[in-house]
Amino acid sequence: GAVVSQHPSWVICKSGTSVKIECRSLDFQATTMFWYRQFPKQSLMLMATSNEGSKATYEQGVEKDKFLINHASLTLSTLTVTSAHPEDSSFYICSARAFQQGAKGEQFFGPGTRLTVL
Amino acid sequence: AQSVTQPDIHITVSEGASLELRCNYSYGATPYLFWYVQSPGQGLQLLLKYFSGDTLVQGIKGFEAEFKRSQSSFNLRKPSVHWSDAAEYFCAVAGGYQKVTFGTGTKLQVIP
Repeated sequence: GAVVSQHPSWVICKSGTSVKIECRSLDFQATTMFWYRQFPKQSLMLMATSNEGSKATYEQGVEKDKFLINHASLTLSTLTVTSAHPEDSSFYICSARAFQQGAKGEQFFGPGTRLTVL
Repeated sequence: AQSVTQPDIHITVSEGASLELRCNYSYGATPYLFWYVQSPGQGLQLLLKYFSGDTLVQGIKGFEAEFKRSQSSFNLRKPSVHWSDAAEYFCAVAGGYQKVTFGTGTKLQVIP
């Protein structure tokens, strides 16, 4: 089956620093990748939709200057949390949708990245 | 706007008992419906999906779900629960080329 990896799986950083999270589709090309945030015991909240070669589309309320998304290739998208603060601590999950499947295509989810900001 | 409601936050069942997790959606046309499972600290795994056709959908791990348009529901069922099924389950809906919207999840606890 299609596999999506995330790196790192967990990260602890100091307040004010920036953290980059990578999302890779390992065995398929993903024209669209999604970034979600999940607070403890809550559902996934879509942060942004990333299409290869174009700017990401952010959901309402998500600061695009704080959460920088780059989708440089068909297999890699990155999320950079800039000037992180404790309230940014969360579980970040990416997903990837295969090329040519459109909205009906299954989203394959990465294992998530636990970010803790001290 | 599309939305998903999972009315049960937490469900406890005995191992070997049957299971039904409820999901109600709101969408103006025929939606695409999904059920995902998430183990603690893990990403999501797709159990099954409905796009069109037969309203009873079979998924992995012995799960099935039935799409009922009249009730705007897509309940997940399993005839006999195993201890390894303990996890959190998310129902999700997508319409056309819109984003996928997740429900708030139902945490399943399985007791011996």
